[in-house]
Amino acid sequence: AQRVTQPEKLLSVFKGAPVELKCNYSYSGSPELFWYVQYSRQRLQLLLRHISRESIKGFTADLNKGETSFHLKKPFAQEEDSAMYYCALRSFQKLVFGTGTRLLVSP
Amino acid sequence: NAGVTQTPKFQVLKTGQSMTLQCAQDMNHNSMYWYRQDPGMGLRLIYYSASEGTTDKGEVPNGYNVSRLNKREFSLRLESAAPSQTSVYFCASRDRGDTEAFFGQGTRLTVV
Repeated sequence: AQRVTQPEKLLSVFKGAPVELKCNYSYSGSPELFWYVQYSRQRLQLLLRHISRESIKGFTADLNKGETSFHLKKPFAQEEDSAMYYCALRSFQKLVFGTGTRLLVSP
Repeated sequence: NAGVTQTPKFQVLKTGQSMTLQCAQDMNHNSMYWYRQDPGMGLRLIYYSASEGTTDKGEVPNGYNVSRLNKREFSLRLESAAPSQTSVYFCASRDRGDTEAFFGQGTRLTVV
């Protein structure tokens, strides 16, 4: 069965500091992985997907199959990055999420 | 574009009451999902529907039933509400393949 683990419930950093939100997965096949973000009072929305290898709002994530990880990184955090971040894995049409990490960026 | 619309936005139920949460999408998506969001538990999949006419259990299906009424609509029913079902419920839809899931605004349900 597929599982997504986000070990940190809360990550608190200062503006300008680097950020790494951890995500590990367990899945027997070839995973399709995503990061979703939920800003205060807004709907959950896609941030990025591993297959596109893009950088969105300065965030990147690299799939490491050896370590079964898909960590989200940003070199310089901004206050507007404060939000709830979810890592997700798709298996066929099933989409499962991790427990989420709340990122707080202080001035 | 409306996207994914959930009704109601808020609901208070007494233990044992029943209710149906409605979800509709106007993007012609094949797959639809119901999640519950609880503090510290993240988003947990209740049921999903890969296509019209099919439904499958997710991680936490007990106490819930679903109906994929047509391609647009996917409802979630609580037959006999329990306080443990107090949560925020999200509906989502997506197309085939490695595509983005779109979420509704959520339904905040309290069972007293």
